This record gives sequence, C-alpha cells and structure tokens, in this order.
Amino acid sequence: DFVMTQSPDSLAVSLGERATINCKSSQSVLYRPNNQNYLAWYQLKPGQPPKVLIYWASTRESGVPDRFSGSGSGTDFTLTISSLQAEDVAVYYCQQYYTTPYTFGQGTKLEIK
Amino acid sequence: QVQLQESGPGLVKPSQTLSLSCTVSGGSVSSGNYYWNWIRQLPGKGLEWIGYISDRGTTYYNPALESRAAISVDTSRNQFSLKLNSVTAADTALYHCARAKPRDHSGNSDWFDPWGQGTLVTVSS
Repeated sequence: DFVMTQSPDSLAVSLGERATINCKSSQSVLYRPNNQNYLAWYQLKPGQPPKVLIYWASTRESGVPDRFSGSGSGTDFTLTISSLQAEDVAVYYCQQYYTTPYTFGQGTKLEIK
Repeated sequence: QVQLQESGPGLVKPSQTLSLSCTVSGGSVSSGNYYWNWIRQLPGKGLEWIGYISDRGTTYYNPALESRAAISVDTSRNQFSLKLNSVTAADTALYHCARAKPRDHSGNSDWFDPWGQGTLVTVSS
C-alpha cells in the first residue's frame, strides 16, 4: 500500500499568516504518460461533509478560495494557505488516488495561534 | 447538485454486523458512470477507504477489510449500503459515503467528491 505521511500533525498559525502542510508518499504518485500527480487535499470540519480543496496535486476545486494552493510532484507535496482565515480551522488530509487501496495521510489539525 | 446522507444504527454489539445506507439526492446511483464509496474516520487514526460499488454493480474492497465488507446498491431507493460483519471496538468510527469518477477501465477512480457528513458508529456491548 502507498503510505502517506503528513507533517506536522498539528499547526497553530496567526490570522493572516501563511500555513504550510506537507505530505510525503512512500511511492511516486506521478503517472508519467500524462504527467499527472494523483494526489488530492481535503478539508474536514466537524458536522460538515469533507470537502475536496485540491486535486491533481495543484488544481483548485471550483469555489475554493485562491488562498489555498497545492504544489509538489512525485512523492513530496505541499498544501499552502497564504493568509489564514478563521474559517480555515479544520483538519486537512492528503490522499493518493494513483491506485487502490486509496490511502490518506494521518491528518494535520490547523488552529489559530 | 448531488448530496449524500448516511443513515444507520449508532450502536452495534461486538461480533454483530454493522449495516449502513447512503441516500443519494440530486442524482441517480444507477446512471452517470460513477463509483460509490465508503470511507471511515477512525478515532485518532485518520481516514480509511473501505471500498466501492460501480453503477453497474461491480465492487472493489480494501484488502484489509475485504473478508468482512459488502457493498450493495438499491436502485429503487437510490441508495447504496455497507455491511461489515464480525465487528469489534476497532470498527468504531465515523462512516462516510462518497462519490468518485472512474478514471479508466482498470477500476481506479479519481478523488472523492462529494461526501456525506458521516454517521458515527460505536461498537460496544
């Protein structure tokens, strides 16, 4: 199975500051024939359906604020929130959809400092 | 806009079978060429993909749960369901249903979207 490891496990950032979450895959999720990285980022808030933020490692889902961005390739990826807002408090997960069984990182809890 | 809603008992006894349903609104489980998934959020351990059923009834499971899990679809109710047998306390989790688009003929799919908000199942006597 692909093991996805996120860092840090938790993060406290001041409002308006940058938040960075890392995700490392045990195997490359880059499919070379189409040069796509099969990696998504999700935001989970209590009592709400999980929401996809980013797919193909860097494509923002429609309606997601542009302060959210994804980068990386192969085995190393980053989710960046450029200017933290109060509504961004959540747990964030990366997920590989390169192959089954689909696997997720352990999650990063983002809080306001 | 497709929405998913999970339902089922919140408490299951050890060794019994967990049974959950996911009702799809705003779309049909039998059309549109989608995979209908179950994913669970384990306390302190993150998210675990359980498996999917296609609009044609093909199923695929996480090998870690394959021997205990069964996903089926009820087109008359526009629902799909999960049964997990021989449960233990380790199966206590928030269970989500989610949709995904098939990517190719290999059985793989893209990211999960949308999701249901989840239903909490506790395994305890």
